[in-house]
Amino acid sequence: KAGVTQTPRYLIKTRGQQVTLSCSPISGHRSVSWYQQTPGQGLQFLFEYFSETQRNKGNFPGRFSGRQFSNSRSEMNVSTLELGDSALYLCASRKIGGLGNEQFFGPGTRLTVL
Amino acid sequence: GQNIDQPTEMTATEGAIVQINCTYQTSGFNGLFWYQQHAGEAPTFLSYNVLDGLEEKGRFSSFLSRSKGYSYLLLKELQMKDSASYLCAVRDLSTGFQKLVFGTGTRLLVSP
Repeated sequence: KAGVTQTPRYLIKTRGQQVTLSCSPISGHRSVSWYQQTPGQGLQFLFEYFSETQRNKGNFPGRFSGRQFSNSRSEMNVSTLELGDSALYLCASRKIGGLGNEQFFGPGTRLTVL
Repeated sequence: GQNIDQPTEMTATEGAIVQINCTYQTSGFNGLFWYQQHAGEAPTFLSYNVLDGLEEKGRFSSFLSRSKGYSYLLLKELQMKDSASYLCAVRDLSTGFQKLVFGTGTRLLVSP
């Protein structure tokens, strides 16, 4: 079974630009969560999508948005990039229901804002 | 509010035992996860505790005390490959939907 995949793996952008990151969950997993990881703050929750609906949102500005498609693939978008947005962006998928609560993480997209 | 504390860094020698502590204060608590993350890689699941007590899985064990807001991850017979960051994460259901709140992680360095 293929794991969670994320594209692209690396991105370099400049301030003011926007960026779209993609995440394909494990087959059969309908929940996708996004996290931002920085050395100082650790892993911080951005949002979770399930059945194409955002179910939960972290404390990030409106420049951070996302969506989920009918095949459970998800994208997140960051507009008007700032230097502080440089981070590793991780997505994680899980299977809703059953005994497991585990989230499976993708390899991440390393975003550098210059 | 939510607050999760774990030591920033720990060192240990190969073959030894190390205990990584995590304390938390959060609303909507519904379980605690431990993840391992090697540098440049994705976090991988180690354990999940929702009831008080010890869960053992090979060389790794995890303990939870809900009344004390405390958990630890115990690693036995340390190997060099155990050098990694260990992330404590609380499952928060205060909004009715799951959200994982992570600590900043403990970097473990295993030396020969």
